Amino acid sequence: GQNIDQPTEMTATEGAIVQINCTYQTSGFNGLFWYQQHAGEAPTFLSYNVLDGLEEKGRFSSFLSRSKGYSYLLLKELQMKDSASYLCAVRDSGYSTLTFGKGTMLLVSP
Amino acid sequence: ETGVTQTPRHLVMGMTNKKSLKCEQHLGHNAMYWYKQSAKKPLELMFVYNFKEQTENNSVPSRFSPECPNSSHLFLHLHTLQPEDSALYLCASSQDRSSYGYTFGSGTRLTVV
Repeated sequence: GQNIDQPTEMTATEGAIVQINCTYQTSGFNGLFWYQQHAGEAPTFLSYNVLDGLEEKGRFSSFLSRSKGYSYLLLKELQMKDSASYLCAVRDSGYSTLTFGKGTMLLVSP
Repeated sequence: ETGVTQTPRHLVMGMTNKKSLKCEQHLGHNAMYWYKQSAKKPLELMFVYNFKEQTENNSVPSRFSPECPNSSHLFLHLHTLQPEDSALYLCASSQDRSSYGYTFGSGTRLTVV
């Protein structure tokens, strides 16, 4: 079966750094994705990892360890607009279908 | 706009009604999806279409009926729904094995009364 686990909620302060973890157990692996979803809006793509290591994109970075079934999303210099739900998703081998975690609701306070 | 357009944005329907959700993409993607998003639950895959052919149906009740007339359009026909079907229904599209995964629409917020 497929299982993707991430914390339900996190809080952080404007200007700080926050790390959102995701662990997964899936039958196959062909990439891990992070999406951001603001309330009432479409999820939007943040990052993609298929090989081990860190991918950096501006204030956001994503890390993957395939042997540990583990990823994290790192958000630096937090801004109020970063308050959103962050979805971790895994793509099975050979297919485009993504399996999602429940999402982590991040609240950034002043 | 993300490139994937869903209508309507909000829908309230009675349990005996019939309605349809519409999704449209002009990104040239070859796969389209329906997902259900309920509070405190992961996104649940409902249907997958690849090159207009349905390739996956995740044990969805027959009161949900998908239709994909071409690679740019996807519908979800609804009839005799239950209150527990109230949720956000998201359409997405992708190009196989793309490193961008899905492009999502903004969703239809469905309330069944």
